[in-house]
This record gives sequence, C-alpha cells and structure tokens, in this order.
Amino acid sequence: SQQGEEDPQALSIQEGENATMNCSYKTSINNLQWYRQNSGRGLVHLILIRSNEREKHSGRLRVTLDTSKKSSSLLITASRAADTASYFCATDAMNNDMRFGAGTRLTVKP
Amino acid sequence: NAGVMQNPRHLVRRRGQEARLRCSPMKGHSHVYWYRQLPEEGLKFMVYLQKENIIDESGMPKERFSAEFPKEGPSILRIQQVVRGDSAAYFCASSPLQRDTEAFFGQGTRLTVV
Repeated sequence: SQQGEEDPQALSIQEGENATMNCSYKTSINNLQWYRQNSGRGLVHLILIRSNEREKHSGRLRVTLDTSKKSSSLLITASRAADTASYFCATDAMNNDMRFGAGTRLTVKP
Repeated sequence: NAGVMQNPRHLVRRRGQEARLRCSPMKGHSHVYWYRQLPEEGLKFMVYLQKENIIDESGMPKERFSAEFPKEGPSILRIQQVVRGDSAAYFCASSPLQRDTEAFFGQGTRLTVV
C-alpha cells in the first residue's frame, strides 16, 4: 500500500509566487524525503528530513515535519517556470521500505 | 561514480512475451527498490531487495512478476507473459546500507506492450 499522500494533486501559480505542497503519512518513519520529477524523466532527490528534525532549508526549498500529525510540507519560494514538475514525498519507514505518494503536479506560469 | 543505470531505456514487447528490466545500483549501494509509474500517476512501490534477499515484495503482483538482486550483477525485474496493462515506466532506486540517506534513481525503463 502507498504510504505518503500529497495534496494538492495539482497546483498552478505565477512565477515569483510561493508554492506549498503537503504530505501526510500513516506509519512511524525514520525520515521523509522530497523528490522532483520532470515530465517523462527520473526522480531527483531534493531534501531529506529526519524524524527528529522539524524544519530544513535548501536554497529556495523549505521542508517542515510534524511527526505528531504525521505530515510534512514543502515550500518553494520565489517560484520559477523551471520549477514546473511533479513533486513526491517518500517515507523511509522503520523497516527501511521507501514509499511514495501520488505526487503534486506543480505548474509555474511565466 | 556512475549513477543508477537502468536498461533498456525503452522496451517494446508483444502481448505474451517476457520483459526483463535491469538495474545496476550505484557503487557501494546494497539496497534496491523497484517502482512502477503509470502515465500521469505517482510511483507505486513494487519490491525492495538487498543482495540475494527479497526484503519486501508486497507491491508486486502475485503472478507473472518476479525480481532478483544477485550477489554479482544487476537487479532484474522480470515480467512474464506481458499484457497491455503492464505498459508503464519502471524505476529503480538504490541506497547505501547506512540509514538516513537519500535514494538515487535511475532514468527508468519505459515498457510498451503492443
């Protein structure tokens, strides 16, 4: 069964705006990871946040993790057209399985 | 250090044929995951393997699908007697033994069943 569930399923914003995507999961995790996938391509790792961390930054990306609510959010600030992609969260569960959600399709209009 | 290599990148099979998808993990990585992605959908977990062991195959269809990760050589995802519904992109990822590390993905194999 799938573990993560992203919302929204699709998000369309103007260049320069911020984009926020959310991920909820069901079981206890070691860490949560966010990946990006450009259309028809493989996945690129963006950021990993451990279960004992609450927030992490990487460039224009900001990830938060709330283990009590079993949820995470990915914020992309000052979005660019090149950020257009699908974004997936993946949870690394205690048994080291890595499960993905269905993804959020982000469109950034120039 | 080459990334995760999947081959072939594109594979066309007729209904009833067998499809073999290969995944060479990054050097030093002993964990391999296989995922299937249908058009416009997310990645569905299929199987998680370590060298010579299947750790979790809960996402694998019960029939026609099998996976292995031998001591030497790439991981193989094998689909016997393919049907149109098997058409999808199949991605593998590898990660090292250590916990709390990212997984690295291959570019995927796009299987088309005609």
